[in-house]
Amino acid sequence: ILNVEQSPQSLHVQEGDSTNFTCSFPSSNFYALHWYRWETAKSPEALFVMTLNGDEKKKGRISATLNTKEGYSYLYIKGSQPEDSATYLCASQGGKLIFGQGTELSVKP
Amino acid sequence: NAGVTQTPKFRILKIGQSMTLQCAQDMNHNYMYWYRQDPGMGLKLIYYSVGAGITDKGEVPNGYNVSRSTTEDFPLRLELAAPSQTSVYFCASSYSGSEQYFGPGTRLTVT
Repeated sequence: ILNVEQSPQSLHVQEGDSTNFTCSFPSSNFYALHWYRWETAKSPEALFVMTLNGDEKKKGRISATLNTKEGYSYLYIKGSQPEDSATYLCASQGGKLIFGQGTELSVKP
Repeated sequence: NAGVTQTPKFRILKIGQSMTLQCAQDMNHNYMYWYRQDPGMGLKLIYYSVGAGITDKGEVPNGYNVSRSTTEDFPLRLELAAPSQTSVYFCASSYSGSEQYFGPGTRLTVT
């Protein structure tokens, strides 16, 4: 079983702050790294799926990078807004998709 | 497209009862998954399927069974419900293991 770790567990920032989270995963038997955004009382929604070492993806103010050799991915949010408040999940896909415990982001106006 | 649908939304079971959680998708996805979400524990994979007629265990399969007779449907069966199965259950689907699309969830309480 893969062990996927996310840090920090929770984060409180002010509107306009930029922030980033880390996802660590075993680099052996790696196929892809997923990022999901999960708002309270809703279902997780896919942000990015990355497969190649050095991959960088961007969606609006959110971007992510991938280092498969050392087994980590960063998610960046530029100029956080209150609507960015959610739990951000990463998941490592080898034979199966294993989720981390998530980083809970709270953005105060 | 309705996407991924789950029924029921909520259910209360007594210990020892059985029930089936329904999941359907209309996106012609070959992969389907069942997860449970426990507080502070993230999402744990119960079972998954890579196509009709094929199912495999995830991290926490004990106490559950699945079947995949069609591409669209992936029901999850709980036999002899136990309090430890109180959780929120999410079904998801994807095309060949790419990004997953999640259903709205089923909140189950076993008392």
